[in-house]
Order: sequence, then C-alpha cells, then structure tokens
Amino acid sequence: QKEVEQDPGPLSVPEGAIVSLNCTYSNSAFQYFMWYRQYSRKGPELLMYTYSSGNKEDGRFTAQVDKSSKYISLFIRDSQPSDSATYLCAMSAAAGKSTFGDGTTLTVKP
Amino acid sequence: GAGVSQTPSNKVTEKGKYVELRCDPISGHTALYWYRQSLGQGPEFLIYFQGTGAADDSGLPNDRFFAVRPEGSVSTLKIQRTERGDSAVYLCASSPQVSNTDTQYFGPGTRLTVL
Repeated sequence: QKEVEQDPGPLSVPEGAIVSLNCTYSNSAFQYFMWYRQYSRKGPELLMYTYSSGNKEDGRFTAQVDKSSKYISLFIRDSQPSDSATYLCAMSAAAGKSTFGDGTTLTVKP
Repeated sequence: GAGVSQTPSNKVTEKGKYVELRCDPISGHTALYWYRQSLGQGPEFLIYFQGTGAADDSGLPNDRFFAVRPEGSVSTLKIQRTERGDSAVYLCASSPQVSNTDTQYFGPGTRLTVL
C-alpha cells in the first residue's frame, strides 16, 4: 500500500463549480503538506503549502489538513477552464524528500 | 529570470545503453532534487543535493543509477545498462536551500524511452 493515496479521477466539472480534491496518508511523521498543479508535459508547480493541521486560503484555493484523520483537501472555488490540469498532493516529514500522490486529473468545461 | 532547465527534453535509447540527463537549477539555488515520474503516477523521489554533496540518495532504485553535482550547480543523473522499466519522465527541481518552507521549482523534465 502506498504512503499517499489519491483518487485519480478523472474529474469533470462545469465552469464556476467548486472542486474538492483529497488525499489520505499513512505516515504519521508527515508534517508538511503541499498541493501541486501539473499541466501536460510540464513540471509540477506549487500551489499551496501547509504546515501541520489547519486551513490555508489563497485566492480561489483553500487547503485543509486534518492530521488526526490523515486526510488533506484542496478546494477550488469558481473553477475556470484554465484550472484543467493534474493536481498532485505531496507530503514530507523532514526537509528535502517529498512523497507524492499519483494525481487527480481535472477538466473544467466552459 | 530563467527557471530550471533540463536537457535533453527527450531521449530514446536501447536497452543496455548508458545515458546522462542534465539539470541546470535556478541560479543561486543550493538545493537540487531528482524525481522520476512514470505514466499515470506522481513523482517519485530519487536523490537530493545540498551544495555538492548528496544529502539523501535513498530513492535511487539500484546501483545502476548515480547522480553528481561537482560544482554545486549543474547536476547529471547517470543511468547504466538501461532497462525498459527505466522509461519515465525524469524531473529535476531546485530550491534556495533544503528547507520545508522553500518552494521546489521543477523543470519540464526529460522523457526517457528505453526500447
């Protein structure tokens, strides 16, 4: 079983919808939680970074971490066609090495 | 300024051959990371450098894989006796230093195909 599990989707929503993306994990040592966006044939780009439990908001994006449940979420409000991409969660216990989920493919239809 | 660059963008080789993949990090970034991403999967950690030294190489799958960063800037990932299972996108990332609060900036990757 992988340390980080992520529903691969694909997920298709209409423009303007609220999108919810989730990951679960098994390693209780993870302290740092990230969400990346990856467009086709590009490298991942960091969207959100959260330390330990709690919420963090940045524009249309909200990241939530629940360490007691080993569950993290990314919410996208007012989704746009330009949000269509693969979203990767990533986690780390210490500086340097990150463990990634396998990504959820999102399509936002105009 | 310029981001992380990786060369070549695509590499096709035959089983058993040796390949080198190059990464040019963002200028001034002391930390450099290598990941491997297979189709439909997330990046898998291989190794990271702080300066010239490999701080953690626990992700290298076996002794056919080796990476160097002799001057603390450019890094080369070397794969000996390539196997078809090595086919993947090899991603490089850099950050100002090795820190959980420093963003890792990824390059576009090198797509390796082993025939």
